[in-house]
Amino acid sequence: EPEVTQTPSHQVTQMGQEVILRCVPISNHLYFYWYRQILGQKVEFLVSFYNNEISEKSEIFDDQFSVERPDGSNFTLKIRSTKLEDSAMYFCASNRDTTKNIQYFGAGTRLSVL
Amino acid sequence: GQQVMQIPQYQHVQEGEDFTTYCNSSTTLSNIQWYKQRPGGHPVFLIQLVKSGEVKKQKRLTFQFGEAKKNSSLHITATQTTDVGTYFCAGYSGGGADGLTFGKGTHLIIQP
Repeated sequence: EPEVTQTPSHQVTQMGQEVILRCVPISNHLYFYWYRQILGQKVEFLVSFYNNEISEKSEIFDDQFSVERPDGSNFTLKIRSTKLEDSAMYFCASNRDTTKNIQYFGAGTRLSVL
Repeated sequence: GQQVMQIPQYQHVQEGEDFTTYCNSSTTLSNIQWYKQRPGGHPVFLIQLVKSGEVKKQKRLTFQFGEAKKNSSLHITATQTTDVGTYFCAGYSGGGADGLTFGKGTHLIIQP
């Protein structure tokens, strides 16, 4: 069964450093998403992406964040200057059809900012 | 903005007992989805409810969507240890590539 894959599974970084989290969505999907989940809390929407541009972003997705689809398969989330409070699980999701909007999640990247 | 409230936050049950989690949205939803997250895992899609008053069943799981399309519930009959995890509802308001608004989840803890 096709799945969303994310790398790395765990990223440790120093505060102030840039990180790039990578995702390969399901191949025939057109809509891509990033979510984050701080330990023990709910999953929070960050950004949605369609047709090579951001469709919607939440208040969390400030100027420190950016997304990119550099080629036909990868979808990346960049955090320019990480803060301690950016430590969380980051999930990538994709779907094929926004009429139904069933989103399939990757296994996540655990970001630890020291 | 849209908010999705989910209760209870934690539920301890004896194996074999039933379990229910409830979800309530501040706005009318286009659809609602349920996900299960095992400890250390990622959200896994369970089901989507679209129609007002819809009821769907998956083996021991029963999902309901309220008439006003603002609330939903998940009921598990005769829980098993494999049911352990956190159950999230996620509301979708429609209108394009909107993100899902997740509830805080209900952590189901099963005592053998």
